[in-house]
Amino acid sequence: RKEVEQDPGPFNVPEGATVAFNCTYSNSASQSFFWYRQDCRKEPKLLMSVYSSGNEDGRFTAQLNRASQYISLLIRDSKLSDSATYLCVVNTGLNTGNQFYFGTGTSLTVIP
Amino acid sequence: NAGVTQTPKFRILKIGQSMTLQCTQDMNHNYMYWYRQDPGMGLKLIYYSVGAGITDKGEVPNGYNVSRSTTEDFPLRLELAAPSQTSVYFCASSSPRVQSYEQYFGPGTRLTVT
Repeated sequence: RKEVEQDPGPFNVPEGATVAFNCTYSNSASQSFFWYRQDCRKEPKLLMSVYSSGNEDGRFTAQLNRASQYISLLIRDSKLSDSATYLCVVNTGLNTGNQFYFGTGTSLTVIP
Repeated sequence: NAGVTQTPKFRILKIGQSMTLQCTQDMNHNYMYWYRQDPGMGLKLIYYSVGAGITDKGEVPNGYNVSRSTTEDFPLRLELAAPSQTSVYFCASSSPRVQSYEQYFGPGTRLTVT
């Protein structure tokens, strides 16, 4: 079983739409959770960390459900510039070498 | 602040050749990582290091070697390159902080083995 699983999409949405991405992880001892954004042929960059209480950064909202081992990302009022691949990332903590596990990514295209 | 730098950006190798991918970070991070990303796939961990002098295998270490003689540098060595090693290689670093283990990535090295 993969450590992190995501729906690969692609998601094609019109500008202004709301879109949600989901992710599940297999290791219940995972410590930290993130969403990264990767543009075509570029390196991943941190979009936001995901906290147990849920957190929001402008148009982006992340949720974590530890009981279900489920992470989500909600993008409101989509912009053309949001087109990218979104990677769900899970960290196992310092006791296991601070390793990060990446999902395969969910592709988003925002259409004018 | 340069962050994480990688060289070269692109390289074409013939089967059986060797090369070293360079990675340097100037953020004084303890942890460094090498990943490979195949087309349409997620990142897979090759090797990682928790500090100078300490390295460990990740998910896909075969065909690669690393060293960590300094905090700043974490080179990845390919011996006897094979077509299966055609990929994009990303180096990353991180430093544990309260509530944040963010990884910072270099721009990547695109390697083709023919």
